[in-house]
Amino acid sequence: AQSVAQPEDQVNVAEGNPLTVKCTYSVSGNPYLFWYVQYPNRGLQFLLKYITGDNLVKGSYGFEAEFNKSQTSFHLKKPSALVSDSALYFCAVSGTTSGTYKYIFGTGTRLKVLA
Amino acid sequence: GAGVSQSPSNKVTEKGKDVELRCDPISGHTALYWYRQSLGQGLEFLIYFQGNSAPDKSGLPSDRFSAERTGGSVSTLTIQRTQQEDSAVYLCASSAITRRDEQFFGPGTRLTVL
Repeated sequence: AQSVAQPEDQVNVAEGNPLTVKCTYSVSGNPYLFWYVQYPNRGLQFLLKYITGDNLVKGSYGFEAEFNKSQTSFHLKKPSALVSDSALYFCAVSGTTSGTYKYIFGTGTRLKVLA
Repeated sequence: GAGVSQSPSNKVTEKGKDVELRCDPISGHTALYWYRQSLGQGLEFLIYFQGNSAPDKSGLPSDRFSAERTGGSVSTLTIQRTQQEDSAVYLCASSAITRRDEQFFGPGTRLTVL
């Protein structure tokens, strides 16, 4: 069965420091991996995706993620955090089986950037 | 409109009542998804529509939940005989036909069952 794990419920980081939000996945075949961000009382906003190609994917708002097949990970990173990055982040996988393209989401990681 | 829209934004109902939630996908998007975001349970898939194909209903939690999509566009999620555990934010998303495309989410409908 496909699954996504976000091992940290919350990540705290000081403004200006680099941030990492972790995600690991389990899926048969080649995964399609996504990161979304959710601000309070808002829907999910797309940040970036990995389908194929370069393992380092660059996305919106200065975020990037590195696909690591051997470690089955897709960690979200940003070199310098902003207070405005504080939000709930979801990793998702869309698998290659079953014929449907529904997302399997992680449980979310709350990022808190401290001024 | 430019994005996925959902209505109502908030719905408060009494236990046992039926509710209907509406989703307007992005124009031209053939795929439409419903998800539920419950406190402490994260985001879970409910149902998926793709064009004229039979929907994937594998995520619907009980037979009280149903959804339809008329004319390949607007979708309605219906919950019959609501229970308190149905309280959640219901999110709709749409995407273009290929699975390589990201899903675009609406703002959600917050359902509270008293």
